[in-house]
Amino acid sequence: KAGVTQTPRYLIKTRGQQVTLSCSPISGHRSVSWYQQTPGQGLQFLFEYFSETQRNKGNFPGRFSGRQFSNSRSEMNVSTLELGDSALYLCASSRLAGEGTQYFGPGTRLLVL
Amino acid sequence: KNEVEQSPQNLTAQEGEFITINCSYSVGISALHWLQQHPGGGIVSLFMLSSGKKKHGRLIATINIQEKHSSLHITASHPRDSAVYICAVGAIQGAQKLVFGQGTRLTINP
Repeated sequence: KAGVTQTPRYLIKTRGQQVTLSCSPISGHRSVSWYQQTPGQGLQFLFEYFSETQRNKGNFPGRFSGRQFSNSRSEMNVSTLELGDSALYLCASSRLAGEGTQYFGPGTRLLVL
Repeated sequence: KNEVEQSPQNLTAQEGEFITINCSYSVGISALHWLQQHPGGGIVSLFMLSSGKKKHGRLIATINIQEKHSSLHITASHPRDSAVYICAVGAIQGAQKLVFGQGTRLTINP
């Protein structure tokens, strides 16, 4: 069974631009969660989606948004990029909402210049 | 004070040593996760536990709900165990909203 995939793996953007990151969960997994990892703040929860509905959201500004499609694939969008948005963005999938082991993707490394 | 505290932050040991990494948390939890992150960023989930003890190969995880404390043990450590180990807690029943510790960087020298 293929693992969680994320695209793109690396991305360079400039301040003020927007970016869309994609996550394809393991086949049969319907829950997708997104996390941001920075050297200063460590890992932080962004959102959780299940059946195309956002179930939980972390403490991030409204510039961070996401969605989930009917095939469980998920995207997250960051608008008006700031230097501090440079981070590794990880998604994780699990079979059920709100429980169970999460399987992480390799991450998208975003650099904002 | 962080909701999830790990100790030590850095640990260097010789191959074969018994390793213990500790995690303390201050919130009620539905489950506690131990994760392993290798250089390059990939994260692997090692354990998810809400009570007692779990063992997988040379890895053992324990949790004491009353004391709000968990430990990850590695027996017969090997250089390939070198990684960052992260403790995370699910603070809300029925949600994957994890709160993470700052991680423990483990280096095992041959």
